[in-house]
Amino acid sequence: GNSVTQMEGPVTLSEEAFLTINCTYTATGYPSLFWYVQYPGEGLQLLLKATKADDKGSNKGFEATYRKETTSFHLEKGSVQVSDSAVYFCALMGTGRRALTFGSGTRLQVQP
Amino acid sequence: ETGVTQSPTHLIKTRGQQVTLRCSSQSGHNTVSWYQQALGQGPQFIFQYYREEENGRGNFPPRFSGLQFPNYSSELNVNALELDDSALYLCASSLDGHEQYFGPGTRLTVT
Repeated sequence: GNSVTQMEGPVTLSEEAFLTINCTYTATGYPSLFWYVQYPGEGLQLLLKATKADDKGSNKGFEATYRKETTSFHLEKGSVQVSDSAVYFCALMGTGRRALTFGSGTRLQVQP
Repeated sequence: ETGVTQSPTHLIKTRGQQVTLRCSSQSGHNTVSWYQQALGQGPQFIFQYYREEENGRGNFPPRFSGLQFPNYSSELNVNALELDDSALYLCASSLDGHEQYFGPGTRLTVT
């Protein structure tokens, strides 16, 4: 079946540092890949997506590239802010377009 | 454009009781998916409704059931509540199931 593995957190960075959150996946066929962000006490917000190999999703300074050869979709941001502190979830959707399969989440803490 | 809304925000129930959670989908969306998120974990897929029919189900027992209405809003019903059902229940709407947008969730506590 489908699965997503994320690096464990928390990840603690100083403001303006470079961020990488690793995500690898296992799936049959050609899944779509997503990053969602969850702020304290809230639901999930779609951050970015990629639907085919070598696609780069980007939003709000965050980027992730769909790498089929390494089955990865790592999240990056060049300069984090305190307001980026949240839990980040990597997810995939198989070709059936029904269920999202999520990783366990990575908590990011950005200190001023 | 109205986003996904859920009600109630919080709920406390006793073991063995039944609960109904509600979700209004985003304008223009025809598919609703429900997820359970236990504390400190990623969401787990419960089931999806497309045009009022169940369109896929995760590894949840039959006491988890749902409905979708002609206006594409949806309900999640859980019978015979157990302590392990305590979680954040998330509803997500989409057009034909692909890019899913989540509501704020309902926090269910079972005592």
